[in-house]
Amino acid sequence: GAVVSQHPSRVICKSGTSVKIECRSLDFQATTMFWYRQFPKQSLMLMATSNEGSKATYEQGVEKDKFLINHASLTLSTLTVTSAHPEDSSFYICSARDLGTDFTLNTEAFFGQGTRLTVV
Amino acid sequence: AQKVTQAQTEISVVEKEDVTLDCVYETRDTTYYLFWYKQPPSGELVFLIRRNSFDEQNEISGRYSWNFQKSTSSFNFTITASQVVDSAVYFCALSEARSGGSYIPTFGRGTSLIVHP
Repeated sequence: GAVVSQHPSRVICKSGTSVKIECRSLDFQATTMFWYRQFPKQSLMLMATSNEGSKATYEQGVEKDKFLINHASLTLSTLTVTSAHPEDSSFYICSARDLGTDFTLNTEAFFGQGTRLTVV
Repeated sequence: AQKVTQAQTEISVVEKEDVTLDCVYETRDTTYYLFWYKQPPSGELVFLIRRNSFDEQNEISGRYSWNFQKSTSSFNFTITASQVVDSAVYFCALSEARSGGSYIPTFGRGTSLIVHP
């Protein structure tokens, strides 16, 4: 199956600093990537949809200035948590969909390994 | 209201037992997709199955089987002869068309399956 690589897998940062998380599709092109946040023993909550070459679409309640998303190429999207605070500590997961040539095909989304962010 | 309900928060079984994970969904769309994902302790999500709303055939893949019933809006997942390696959190997800035509999955809360040796 398609591979999505997320880096880093774990990061600990000081309060007030910024952290960048990368999401790469390794063997396919992804015009759209998704960023989720997962609290302990909770479901995955969609934060934003990252579109290559355009601005990300954020879900209601997600601060776009806090969570900066950049989808610079067809294989890379980044999520930057700016001025991180302890309440931003969470598990962040990206996913990407290989649309191929049929843009109506709703294929499964492939997920990265996730990033455990701890803000101290 | 939740679009995907996984009523079982945690299930504990002994190895070799069969176990069924329930998933009930809610949608007004006629075209939608249902998924099951597995999340082991390491955290990554592993795709298990995708089913579209027009295909109600049940599916079997090794020890895994899925029962899709539109009449009850359910998409249940059964593991036969469970093994310790099946211990994980299992998520059911529903994908509906959004404005613009894209489909984005909405996840249930997950069911934590613990298989004891």
